[in-house]
Amino acid sequence: DSGVTQTPKHLITATGQRVTLRCSPRSGDLSVYWYQQSLDQGLQFLIQYYNGEERAKGNILERFSAQQFPDLHSELNLSSLELGDSALYFCASSVAKTGDHTEAFFGQGTRLTVV
Amino acid sequence: DQQVKQNSPSLSVQEGRISILNCDYTNSMFDYFLWYKKYPAEGPTFLISISSIKDKNEDGRFTVFLNKSAKHLSLHIVPSQPGDSAVYFCAAKLGNTGNQFYFGTGTSLTVIP
Repeated sequence: DSGVTQTPKHLITATGQRVTLRCSPRSGDLSVYWYQQSLDQGLQFLIQYYNGEERAKGNILERFSAQQFPDLHSELNLSSLELGDSALYFCASSVAKTGDHTEAFFGQGTRLTVV
Repeated sequence: DQQVKQNSPSLSVQEGRISILNCDYTNSMFDYFLWYKKYPAEGPTFLISISSIKDKNEDGRFTVFLNKSAKHLSLHIVPSQPGDSAVYFCAAKLGNTGNQFYFGTGTSLTVIP
């Protein structure tokens, strides 16, 4: 158990809909990262938050947004869903501040299926 | 732009032999490198890491080698065991931009009993 909790584990929704994925980081971790893994693809970095503020942005679509709340949990909002958004979405957390050499710990992922 | 590349999608190795997984990167500013292991239906789990100031790090059966001039790192597993069968992701970190991790596309390792 990595200590990172993601809910829900599975989500099936229709095109055009909006969903929210939730992530609770490990206790004490200030950084939260969101990654997307499509079929046969690697882990594509979407966005990072550090202590409530956006720190880095990757290949995140404008239809997607995220936030990190004061209790450090994070939510990834996906709207106007398309079939191509079907993927595994992973959240990871890390204690590190800039420059620290520590690893990120991953949750079990949310499998999103858009039909 | 894929800054971390794993050019071998899959690798099969006989039990007891050495498994060598390779990873190349393009950004010379990466300062920390990691390997993650992923089983189906689970999140990636951290395996081993190496700082850019070192060229080798060993942890039991796992050794990571870093060749900065070639922008190449490799993971050696000796001896390979059937339980090592998983997808292995190489990752690199830019420490001065808030610890953003860049991942490769993964190599699926199968260890044949």
